[in-house]
Amino acid sequence: SYVLTQPPSVSVAPGKTARITCGGNNIGSKSVHWYQQKPGQAPVLVIYYDSDRPSGIPERFSGSNSGNTATLTISRVEAGDEADYYCQVWDSSSDQVFGGGTKLTVL
Amino acid sequence: EVQLVESGGGLVQPGRSLRLSCAASGFTFDDYAMDWVRQAPGKGLEWVSGISWNSGSIGYADSVKGRFTISRDNAKNSLYLQMNSLRAEDTALYYCAKGSAAGYGQDYFDYWGQGTLVTVSS
Repeated sequence: SYVLTQPPSVSVAPGKTARITCGGNNIGSKSVHWYQQKPGQAPVLVIYYDSDRPSGIPERFSGSNSGNTATLTISRVEAGDEADYYCQVWDSSSDQVFGGGTKLTVL
Repeated sequence: EVQLVESGGGLVQPGRSLRLSCAASGFTFDDYAMDWVRQAPGKGLEWVSGISWNSGSIGYADSVKGRFTISRDNAKNSLYLQMNSLRAEDTALYYCAKGSAAGYGQDYFDYWGQGTLVTVSS
């Protein structure tokens, strides 16, 4: 089965840049999607197809994907960005797969 | 405005059954695949099942295969999940999620409901 590996936690100071990684075997050949989930709320799509942003998502959110690692980058981090972030891909043998999630803490 | 409203959750004993429903509005329901995603208390997201726009393609996570059945009624703009032989490890918040394409798989989830809680316990 296909496995996506995320760091359990990432901490960043306000105004700095946060990078959340998602590792998987040759993930660069797949389309990666990212979700933000705040406590007590449903997930919200923040990046799709590696680097596209849905309407309403700030330009501070960006994504990249190459080799064995996809990255969600949040620039000029704000307190309101504090949340859990999940990556997701579709794999022909495993179907839809989510990473374990990364808790972003804004210091 | 897209709305997905789940219902049908509750407390159920191990081995019993439960049927979840998801009422969709604000988009052309039969143009899109739909999925169920669950989240155990304090845990991450786990995909459960997906169904294409016309029910022609369906998939299940290995953890629920043979016990859960996904279905949809396009005339009623509704998605369902029949859950049989429930286990304690099925305890979770179950989300209904709209797929970004008509075909199941190879897509992302652009809208989510607020979830319905299923608790399996004796």
